[in-house]
Amino acid sequence: KAGVTQTPRYLIKTRGQQVTLSCSPISGHRSVSWYQQTPGQGLQFLFEYFSETQRNKGNFPGRFSGRQFSNSRSEMNVSTLELGDSALYLCASSLGTSSSYEQYFGPGTRLTVT
Amino acid sequence: ILNVEQSPQSLHVQEGDSTNFTCSFPSSNFYALHWYRWETAKSPEALFVMTLNGDEKKKGRISATLNTKEGYSYLYIKGSQPEDSATYLCAFATGNQFYFGTGTSLTVIP
Repeated sequence: KAGVTQTPRYLIKTRGQQVTLSCSPISGHRSVSWYQQTPGQGLQFLFEYFSETQRNKGNFPGRFSGRQFSNSRSEMNVSTLELGDSALYLCASSLGTSSSYEQYFGPGTRLTVT
Repeated sequence: ILNVEQSPQSLHVQEGDSTNFTCSFPSSNFYALHWYRWETAKSPEALFVMTLNGDEKKKGRISATLNTKEGYSYLYIKGSQPEDSATYLCAFATGNQFYFGTGTSLTVIP
């Protein structure tokens, strides 16, 4: 079974631009969650999508948004990038809701904002 | 913002030693406690999802216990091996939020 894939793996953007990251979950998994990892803050929950609906959202500004398609693939968008958005963005998929099921993580997208 | 604390922050043990780490979390709004293992240059790997007070789970040489009333979970590794070297993260789930600890970095010296 193929694992969780994320594209692109690396990205360099300029402050003020926007960016879209993509996550393809394991086949059959209906939940996709997104996380931000920075050296100072550790791993922080961004949001979870389940069956195309945002189920939960972490404490991030509205510049961070996402969506999930009918095939469970998910995208995350960050608008008006700030230097502090530089981070590793991980997505994880699970068979059911992320709270109750094991999550399988992708390799991450390393975003650098200059 | 909830506080999830892990201790110790880092640990060096000799191959063959047994070790344990602690994850402390709020005792209210508990839904589940997850443990993950994160090796350098790899993705986090799920170890356990625990939901009931008194839960004990085991996977090979690794086991975990859960006390939701006092807000802590222990992760045990028996007979540590160099391949156990990784950061071990716990995550507290309230049902609509995940809060990760900062992890315990384990180095197993051959």
